[in-house]
Amino acid sequence: DTEVTQTPKHLVMGMTNKKSLKCEQHMGHRAMYWYKQKAKKPPELMFVYSYEKLSINESVPSRFSPECPNSSLLNLHLHALQPEDSALYLCASSQGAGLAATDTQYFGPGTRLTVL
Amino acid sequence: SQQGEEDPQALSIQEGENATMNCSYKTSINNLQWYRQNSGRGLVHLILIRSNEREKHSGRLRVTLDTSKKSSSLLITASRAADTASYFCAPKAAGNKLTFGGGTRVLVKP
Repeated sequence: DTEVTQTPKHLVMGMTNKKSLKCEQHMGHRAMYWYKQKAKKPPELMFVYSYEKLSINESVPSRFSPECPNSSLLNLHLHALQPEDSALYLCASSQGAGLAATDTQYFGPGTRLTVL
Repeated sequence: SQQGEEDPQALSIQEGENATMNCSYKTSINNLQWYRQNSGRGLVHLILIRSNEREKHSGRLRVTLDTSKKSSSLLITASRAADTASYFCAPKAAGNKLTFGGGTRVLVKP
């Protein structure tokens, strides 16, 4: 199984809502990632988890809260978002973690988020 | 920054033609990766070339790497309509961080 799955595919939320994005992989990968992608722009790294511990936070606002409940699951909790947070949120995983992570990343299909 | 810069930003070709896109970067790398993204979907890894390699092939894809010039190119031969996508390079040092270039949007017209 070389698939990264993400749910939901689409999400519309108001600025006062709390919602969560979910990501799952069953490839035994040691690192998992959240990216944000605006239209016609490259993906921008938000968070990296290595061995279920947060290893990189790219100065992301606290209204985005990541969680890694186990080695296969990655969540992104959303609270009090702004309309400018509307974007495609991509999850990825890779076999390697830390400085050994020279390998490729496997991406999920993304969640299209719209904040009203 | 390891972030790549891609050229051209957009490319329109006829089916059957070749498409070439270039990537330049600024710092030392462990490898350089190319990814494809179909409209509004996740990225798909195409090819990884290590810093000690100069050329690599995968099917209709050919990637070159010139570390002295800090540049790479991706060639798609005999293009098909299904190759229509955005292509991103990602120069990579050791560690988990992967930063993407601005991308080249390729349109293959039937």
